[in-house]
Amino acid sequence: DTGVSQDPRHKITKRGQNVTFRCDPISEHNRLYWYRQTLGQGPEFLTYFQNEAQLEKSRLLSDRFSAERPKGSFSTLEIQRTEQGDSAMYLCASSLAGSRAGTGELFFGEGSRLTVL
Amino acid sequence: TQLLEQSPQFLSIQEGENLTVYCNSSSVFSSLQWYRQEPGEGPVLLVTVVTGGEVKKLKRLTFQFGDARKDSSLHITAAQPGDTGLYLCVCDSWGKFQFGAGTQVVVTP
Repeated sequence: DTGVSQDPRHKITKRGQNVTFRCDPISEHNRLYWYRQTLGQGPEFLTYFQNEAQLEKSRLLSDRFSAERPKGSFSTLEIQRTEQGDSAMYLCASSLAGSRAGTGELFFGEGSRLTVL
Repeated sequence: TQLLEQSPQFLSIQEGENLTVYCNSSSVFSSLQWYRQEPGEGPVLLVTVVTGGEVKKLKRLTFQFGDARKDSSLHITAAQPGDTGLYLCVCDSWGKFQFGAGTQVVVTP
């Protein structure tokens, strides 16, 4: 299967700890997105990359959140000093796009569920 | 405030009934997409509408893009339990895909 994969699927941590999630996109996709989703709500945009460049980061994202895509392939999302409000599903998606203004299809992973105690 | 407003937030119907969900905005879009998300999975694309007034059919699902390209609707005919899921309206804002809050649809046998 060459879909989007995320690791870990579930993470339980104590408040104040750091956590890191990994996303492996579909190999030929140049764009990679991170979203956060709480129960019954639509995904909330966090950030996205085109190749290794981080093109945009949500203003809602605090400085505790950082994402990287060092070689334009896999990406990591790190949350430092976690808070209970960070508990959510973190979704990664990838797409193939030729231009900033173009439309394409997002292919999602199954998500990484974070629980902060 | 959400860029895309979806209504209703929740819909529970019996198998065989019809339903319509709506996606509205004050902004004009070059295209809109609809995704469906089932529990424990990521959203999956159903359709992309690109032309004002366009109607697309996908089996029992009918998607419409408003003439002014500010709104869209999804109509399901003779709903089945397999249609249960979170229906999400999505716009592409210069490469940044933004989602509405979604409509949770539950179809009971």
